[in-house]
Amino acid sequence: SQKIEQNSEALNIQEGKTATLTCNYTNYSPAYLQWYRQDPGRGPVFLLLIRENEKEKRKERLKVTFDTTLKQSLFHITASQPADSATYLCALDGDMRFGAGTRLTVKP
Amino acid sequence: EADIYQTPRYLVIGTGKKITLECSQTMGHDKMYWYQQDPGMELHLIHYSYGVNSTEKGDLSSESTVSRIRTEHFPLTLESARPSHTSQYLCASSEWDRLGVGYTFGSGTRLTVV
Repeated sequence: SQKIEQNSEALNIQEGKTATLTCNYTNYSPAYLQWYRQDPGRGPVFLLLIRENEKEKRKERLKVTFDTTLKQSLFHITASQPADSATYLCALDGDMRFGAGTRLTVKP
Repeated sequence: EADIYQTPRYLVIGTGKKITLECSQTMGHDKMYWYQQDPGMELHLIHYSYGVNSTEKGDLSSESTVSRIRTEHFPLTLESARPSHTSQYLCASSEWDRLGVGYTFGSGTRLTVV
């Protein structure tokens, strides 16, 4: 079955810097990949979806890349702010499973 | 604004009690899901449904059951609650004909069994 790996359990960065989170997968190449944000005690919130034929997707300060050769997606938050502190999850097409997430902390 | 509602938000209940966690969505989504998540841990899929009268078990062995009699309603029932059931339960829905919108999650039910 498909396995999703989010490399860093936790990432600490300084305000204003770019945060880069990684999502790797095994086995089949998904038709699309999604990123979510989860705050403590709340359900995940959908952020972005990128399709296999799209190299890059942007939304405001967020950027997602998708490399089907490397079986990897990178999620970037530019000009990070303390309010960006949360856990970020990736999920693959209709698989219904999520990665374990990366807990991002942005320090003022 | 979320169109998927979970009740109760918090529940403390004694061992052996039967409980039902409610989940309703107003988006007309065919697919609905239940996830279990302990604090700081990953989401585990416990049940899912592709539509009315369709229910399937997920990855995590669970003593709960679900039903899908109406499109908008996907309740989860524990016949006899145990302390090991203490966790957060998250309901979600999706409509894959509308690619680009992902899963919509409820706010969750935090269950404590004493």
